[in-house]
Amino acid sequence: KAGVTQTPRYLIKTRGQQVTLSCSPISGHRSVSWYQQTPGQGLQFLFEYFSETQRNKGNFPGRFSGRQFSNSRSEMNVSTLELGDSALYLCASSNPSGGALQKETQYFGPGTRLLVL
Amino acid sequence: EDQVTQSPEALRLQEGESSSLNCSYTVSGLRGLFWYRQDPGKGPEFLFTLYSAGEEKEKERLKATLTKKESFLHITAPKPEDSATYLCAVLSGGSYIPTFGRGTSLIVHP
Repeated sequence: KAGVTQTPRYLIKTRGQQVTLSCSPISGHRSVSWYQQTPGQGLQFLFEYFSETQRNKGNFPGRFSGRQFSNSRSEMNVSTLELGDSALYLCASSNPSGGALQKETQYFGPGTRLLVL
Repeated sequence: EDQVTQSPEALRLQEGESSSLNCSYTVSGLRGLFWYRQDPGKGPEFLFTLYSAGEEKEKERLKATLTKKESFLHITAPKPEDSATYLCAVLSGGSYIPTFGRGTSLIVHP
């Protein structure tokens, strides 16, 4: 099976702009989670989608939003970018309703490196 | 609130020098404990899932064990290519989202 894919892999934006990141989960996986990773804060949970519905949300401002499509692909959007939004954005997929032993294991994509200037 | 503490924060080993990484956790009803390996600038790579105390899993030079309060990732005769950050995460109760530790940065010198 193909793994989780994320596009683009690298992105440079300026303050005030907005950005959209895309994630394609492993085939058959219905849950997609987004994380922000920085050296100072580690992995921080942004939100999780399951069957096109946001099921969980982390403690991030409303500038961070996301959605999931019927094919389980997901996008996250950050509006009015700030310098502090520079980070590695990671997407992870899992199949909570699957029958496999590791059904609750999250599998991560390679990430999108965002630099805000 | 679930808590995960990994120690040490950083570890330097000589090639062939075996050691262990620790992941201590506090959760209400463990559903799973996960180990990942992360190389710089890349996404975490899944290693193991452990579900109950006493469970052990192995992969090449890595062996993960689980007790009711902590998990160990044992590295036997490490090689330089084992250098990475190792992350631990727990899933508990009715949560859908794992709680991650800050990781242990491992450097193996040739």
